[in-house]
Amino acid sequence: SQQGEEDPQALSIQEGENATMNCSYKTSINNLQWYRQNSGRGLVHLILIRSNEREKHSGRLRVTLDTSKKSSSLLITASRAADTASYFCATVPFTGANSKLTFGKGITLSVRP
Amino acid sequence: EAQVTQNPRYLITVTGKKLTVTCSQNMNHEYMSWYRQDPGLGLRQIYYSMNVEVTDKGDVPEGYKVSRKEKRNFPLILESPSPNQTSLYFCASGNRGPSGANVLTFGAGSRLTVL
Repeated sequence: SQQGEEDPQALSIQEGENATMNCSYKTSINNLQWYRQNSGRGLVHLILIRSNEREKHSGRLRVTLDTSKKSSSLLITASRAADTASYFCATVPFTGANSKLTFGKGITLSVRP
Repeated sequence: EAQVTQNPRYLITVTGKKLTVTCSQNMNHEYMSWYRQDPGLGLRQIYYSMNVEVTDKGDVPEGYKVSRKEKRNFPLILESPSPNQTSLYFCASGNRGPSGANVLTFGAGSRLTVL
């Protein structure tokens, strides 16, 4: 069962612009993670935010979490062509034994040079 | 280099011919998992393992088997493959970071076609 649902499904922006991607989920979580996948390759972990955190930064990435709305957003600032990839949010349930990392369907980001 | 290694990377087989996709990690991770990725469906978990000799079903376990006899290896077995198992398969292993969460390291993927 898919827990996270990303929005939009696809996003196309110009290099230098900011990209904002959203993820909504249904049940209480322990933490939420974002991953990137370059075409046909394995996923790469980007950032993790715990349920008691509201915002985290890592380089050009900014993640927010609103547990009251059960949603998260990933902001990539000053995008580059190399940011072109699919982005997935993944959730770990609050009551789980950290065994169940459930992924959404992903967002395809295209950054035009 | 810390990595998850899957083999084969590409495989074309026929219905009913048993196959095994191997997965090995060199990071001493306790947690390992198999996912399949299909267009429009995202990643779906097939099986996972919390430690040696401890495995459990994910969301789509039908038609698959796994074993975890050693910490580093977690093979995925298709006893009698069918065309609906044509997919891109990923193995992943996880550490427990400061939050106790499983942050996953993924293999490069195995593209399987069942004719």
